[in-house]
Amino acid sequence: DAKTTQPNSMESNEEEPVHLPCNHSTISGTDYIHWYRQLPSQGPEYVIHGLTSNVNNRMASLAIAEDRKSSTLILHRATLRDAAVYYCILRDINNAGNMLTFGGGTRLMVKP
Amino acid sequence: DAGVIQSPRHEVTEMGQEVTLRCKPISGHNSLFWYRQTMMRGLELLIYFNNNVPIDDSGMPEDRFSAKMPNASFSTLKIQPSEPRDSAVYFCASSFSGGPTYEQYFGPGTRLTVT
Repeated sequence: DAKTTQPNSMESNEEEPVHLPCNHSTISGTDYIHWYRQLPSQGPEYVIHGLTSNVNNRMASLAIAEDRKSSTLILHRATLRDAAVYYCILRDINNAGNMLTFGGGTRLMVKP
Repeated sequence: DAGVIQSPRHEVTEMGQEVTLRCKPISGHNSLFWYRQTMMRGLELLIYFNNNVPIDDSGMPEDRFSAKMPNASFSTLKIQPSEPRDSAVYFCASSFSGGPTYEQYFGPGTRLTVT
């Protein structure tokens, strides 16, 4: 799977939007973009995924650049419970087994 | 559904002892994954099963580690003999590979300490 690059950490104020960037310049046409997050002392949890178009769900929005070389996870209104490590992962559509390779992720800190 | 269940949640053992970690995946899921997480190496995939068959064990660190999935509702990860460097949090995850999102559901993890 192609690699992703994320900032090590980011800080946000409570109730403000947060934009978490991810670079994946070597993405292939068959790579899905997945986001997971890991709250303190818990296992990772799925947040959102997309292929080409922007995606919205109850947790977040995913904005994908037109050339697909980068994407941004958007939390519309950060809460203290959103403090976590956020992982951007590429998964090849031909990877029928759904194997995921986790990088270092971005540690999001939310200030009250 | 109760989600992915792992036991024990915490395990402290002495070097050289055998350790067995257990996982019950979500009912209906056909893929199961074992991960290890440490501060130094982050989250690493150890082994992955599909329909109870090991598909990729390239992440298993060495022969001291073994994993089995005797049926669709149970898997074990065994370390024998254990060493202090095996101290980590071990996560089990499951997914349905035929689903639209291929979302993996993670268990709460087992924190292993080898002294």
